[in-house]
Amino acid sequence: GENVEQHPSTLSVQEGDSAVIKCTYSDSASNYFPWYKQELGKGPQLIIDIRSNVGEKKDQRIAVTLNKTAKHFSLHITETQPEDSAVYFCAAGKSGYSTLTFGKGTMLLVSP
Amino acid sequence: DTAVSQTPKYLVTQMGNDKSIKCEQNLGHDTMYWYKQDSKKFLKIMFSYNNKELIINETVPNRFSPKSPDKAHLNLHINSLELGDSAVYFCASSSPVSDEQFFGPGTRLTVL
Repeated sequence: GENVEQHPSTLSVQEGDSAVIKCTYSDSASNYFPWYKQELGKGPQLIIDIRSNVGEKKDQRIAVTLNKTAKHFSLHITETQPEDSAVYFCAAGKSGYSTLTFGKGTMLLVSP
Repeated sequence: DTAVSQTPKYLVTQMGNDKSIKCEQNLGHDTMYWYKQDSKKFLKIMFSYNNKELIINETVPNRFSPKSPDKAHLNLHINSLELGDSAVYFCASSSPVSDEQFFGPGTRLTVL
């Protein structure tokens, strides 16, 4: 089955800095890679996703890159704000099959 | 309007009891899931249902039994609760069209 490794487990940055979270996956058949943000006391919420037919996707301050050859993908948050503080999860799966394997999460703390 | 709802939000019970958690989605999705999130925030899939049929049953004790009375509901019944069952349980739903999984707010189960 799929195995997803996520690093770092915790990340502290100053407001305005950039934050990068990295994930690797094991199943070369995986083609769908979402990122979820989980705020305290809430369920995870999708913030961005990428499919294997593209190498990069951006949405305002958030970007995701995918390297299929190396089987890794990364989340980049620029100009971080205190409200970005949360736990971020990467996941990998096969589009149309609904099953996702999640990484163990990264707790991001943005200090004012 | 809430897309995926769960009840109750908090559940405190004694070891050996039987309890149920209810989940409903109003998104018209065909697939629903139960996840367990432990104290280290690790999200692990437990079950997946598609159109009321079980499609994924990860290594979960037989004490856990999901029930899907219709496409919009997926309930989780737990028999003979153990201390190790203490966790946050998330319900989610998805559509194969977009792959995005929508999570409920979670149910924090505490077994004393």
